[in-house]
Amino acid sequence: EVQLVESGGGLVQPGGSLRLSCAASGFTFSSHWMSWVRQAPGKGLEWVANIKQDGSEKYYVDSVKGRFTVSRDNAKNSLYLQMSSLRAEDTAVYYCARDWAVDWGQGTLVTVSS
Amino acid sequence: EIVMTQSPATLSVSPGERATLSCRASQSLSSNLAWYHQKAGQAPRLLIYGASTRATGIPARFSGSGSGAEFTLTISSLQSEDFAVYYCQQYYDWPYTFGQGTKLESK
Repeated sequence: EVQLVESGGGLVQPGGSLRLSCAASGFTFSSHWMSWVRQAPGKGLEWVANIKQDGSEKYYVDSVKGRFTVSRDNAKNSLYLQMSSLRAEDTAVYYCARDWAVDWGQGTLVTVSS
Repeated sequence: EIVMTQSPATLSVSPGERATLSCRASQSLSSNLAWYHQKAGQAPRLLIYGASTRATGIPARFSGSGSGAEFTLTISSLQSEDFAVYYCQQYYDWPYTFGQGTKLESK
């Protein structure tokens, strides 16, 4: 069974930084693209970023380019999202997903507020 | 960026009846289209990928159709657990984009 467990969310001030993690199990992590998708409170889904199996290709939605960095550690079956220069509009539940969003974690809430 | 537009925003249907949801893309996607549903407080769940292939464990009452830029999700006989928000998503080109969602509610 595929399991994706996010962690690292919390309350952060505008301009601050946060690192999200996603622990993967139940599949061959190193064989799959991985994605981050977010959902602001009461809003729809927004794809944020994804990363190729070996980390050689990464793609980001325009609104986070230059501020967020996606990375992975295949030896630890883990996906990361380093977020900096956070803004109020980054407040959302952040989901880790396998491939383009075949399987999803339960999400971790990031709140950007002073 | 490919814009995905879903209609209607809200659909009221009685249990046991058929529901038809639409998704339109701003350009051709071939068949790189997925459907998800999301219940309150839960993560989305994949229903359909490749425009018409049911994901593992998804009942046969869910069916997807279409190609190019026009797609449809049909639920043949609504069960109580089907009332949720439905999203389409294109994975044809970066950035992957979602529709704004259709809320399927019980009439």
